[in-house]
Amino acid sequence: AQSVTQPDIHITVSEGASLELRCNYSYGATPYLFWYVQSPGQGLQLLLKYFSGDTLVQGIKGFEAEFKRSQSSFNLRKPSVHWSDAAEYFCAVGVIFGAGSYQLTFGKGTKLSVIP
Amino acid sequence: DTGVSQDPRHKITKRGQNVTFRCDPISEHNRLYWYRQTLGQGPEFLTYFQNEAQLEKSRLLSDRFSAERPKGSFSTLEIQRTEQGDSAMYLCASSPSLLSYEQYFGPGTRLTVT
Repeated sequence: AQSVTQPDIHITVSEGASLELRCNYSYGATPYLFWYVQSPGQGLQLLLKYFSGDTLVQGIKGFEAEFKRSQSSFNLRKPSVHWSDAAEYFCAVGVIFGAGSYQLTFGKGTKLSVIP
Repeated sequence: DTGVSQDPRHKITKRGQNVTFRCDPISEHNRLYWYRQTLGQGPEFLTYFQNEAQLEKSRLLSDRFSAERPKGSFSTLEIQRTEQGDSAMYLCASSPSLLSYEQYFGPGTRLTVT
């Protein structure tokens, strides 16, 4: 069965510092990988996704992620964190059950706090 | 494009009562998903609709849960005889055409069972 592990429950960084959130997945086929962000009282917003091709993907809000098949990882990075980035971040793997259809299996999330 | 909407945003109910939630997907999105998120966890898949057909159901969806999507537009999720363990955030997502694999999430309905 598929699974996603986010080893860090809570990370605190200073504003302007770089950020890396870790994500490891387990899935028997080629994975479709996603990072979502969830702010309090808000729904999940897609930051970026990987389906195939270039293993370094760019997303919104200055985020990027790198897919490493050999390490089963899809870590999220940002070179300079802003206070507005404080939120909870979820990594997910898409499990296909039909053409164009899939369910998302999420990790438990990493809560990011930003120190001014 | 007004996004996925869910109603109500919050629901407090007593154990044993029935509750119903509504999800309105983005217009013309023919795929609709329900997820449940408990405290400290990521969302977990419950069920999936393609147009009006319910094509996938998770084992998490017990017999007390039923979902419908009449006419392939909005969807409802009903929980009968609620239990305290049903307390969670219920999220709806929709997805457009065959060529797109992105799911767009609504703000969720937070259920508290007392």
